[in-house]
Amino acid sequence: GENVEQHPSTLSVQEGDSAVIKCTYSDSASNYFPWYKQELGKGPQLIIDIRSNVGEKKDQRIAVTLNKTAKHFSLHITETQPEDSAVYFCAASRSGYALNFGKGTSLLVTP
Amino acid sequence: EADIYQTPRYLVIGTGKKITLECSQTMGHDKMYWYQQDPGMELHLIHYSYGVNSTEKGDLSSESTVSRIRTEHFPLTLESARPSHTSQYLCASSERENTEAFFGQGTRLTVV
Repeated sequence: GENVEQHPSTLSVQEGDSAVIKCTYSDSASNYFPWYKQELGKGPQLIIDIRSNVGEKKDQRIAVTLNKTAKHFSLHITETQPEDSAVYFCAASRSGYALNFGKGTSLLVTP
Repeated sequence: EADIYQTPRYLVIGTGKKITLECSQTMGHDKMYWYQQDPGMELHLIHYSYGVNSTEKGDLSSESTVSRIRTEHFPLTLESARPSHTSQYLCASSERENTEAFFGQGTRLTVV
């Protein structure tokens, strides 16, 4: 089955700096790659996703890049703010299968 | 806000009790999922359903069972709770595979 590796497990940045979280996947048939943000006491919420026919996608301060050849994808958050502090999960799936999640990255943005 | 609801939010129960965690969604989604989230944050798929009367076990072995009699309802049952079942349980739904999954707020279960 699909195996998703996520790094780092914890990340601390200063407000205004950029944060990058990286994931690799094992199943070359995976074609959907979402990123979720989980705040304390809440369920994960989708923040951005990308499909295998696209190399990059951006939504305001958040961007995701995908390298299908290397089987890795990354989340980039620019101009970080304290409210960006949360746990972030990457995931991968192929058609007909449920999402497989990475182990999560705890991001702390310090003022 | 996603229209997916889990009850109860918190539950403390004694060993050996039977419990049912409720999950309901009002989005008409066919696909529903149960994830177990351990203290280290990792999400493990324990059950999923692709429609009424369809249930499958996920990647993580679980002693729980599920049912899907109605589209909107996907309850999870533990026949005899044990301390090893202490965890956070998250329910999710999606319109199709490979699309956004909407999560409930979770049920934090403690078995004493």
